Amino acid sequence: EAGVAQSPRYKIIEKRQSVAFWCNPISGHATLYWYQQILGQGPKLLIQFQNNGVVDDSQLPKDRFSAERLKGVDSTLKIQPAKLEDSAVYLCASSAIQVLTGYTFGSGTRLTVV
Amino acid sequence: GENVEQHPSTLSVQEGDSAVIKCTYSDSASNYFPWYKQELGKGPQLIIDIRSNVGEKKDQRIAVTLNKTAKHFSLHITETQPEDSAVYFCAASQTGANNLFFGTGTRLTVIP
Repeated sequence: EAGVAQSPRYKIIEKRQSVAFWCNPISGHATLYWYQQILGQGPKLLIQFQNNGVVDDSQLPKDRFSAERLKGVDSTLKIQPAKLEDSAVYLCASSAIQVLTGYTFGSGTRLTVV
Repeated sequence: GENVEQHPSTLSVQEGDSAVIKCTYSDSASNYFPWYKQELGKGPQLIIDIRSNVGEKKDQRIAVTLNKTAKHFSLHITETQPEDSAVYFCAASQTGANNLFFGTGTRLTVIP
């Protein structure tokens, strides 16, 4: 089966600019996650979707971050305006039903804010 | 919320030796514990997982043990090979909660 697709792979922007990341999960996976992985740390959940509804966005900095999953398939994560501390790898993952089956992660988008 | 601690942060072993990575968790409600391997430039890849009703699980050279009373679990890699070199993350979750809480990672280097 095809994996989780993410684009772009890399992005460099100046602070206060905006940026968007795209994710296409594994076909049929109802649950989609966005994680932020700062260099040298483990991934941290930003937002979780079940189909096109938000299940958990308690760790999403809503003043600058937004995410949507239209039609319950693809998802976009946006940052506006970006700060230096947003430099990280943004990982998208999907799972079939519950986490007990394990996630599949994409390769991530490495964001550098200068 | 859940807090997962992972040790050591770096680990170097000779090829053929064993490697052990340990994690502790804080939330007694957690009942699913996966381990992920992350290679440079790639996303984390699930290598093995264990549920709370099991004390140990093996898959070829990889094994995971779980002590629910002490709230810790460990990854054991035997007969290490250079391709085992990567960053390994433990994680914990509750049934139905879906989101994973990750440890801080262990950079394993296998020296040929």
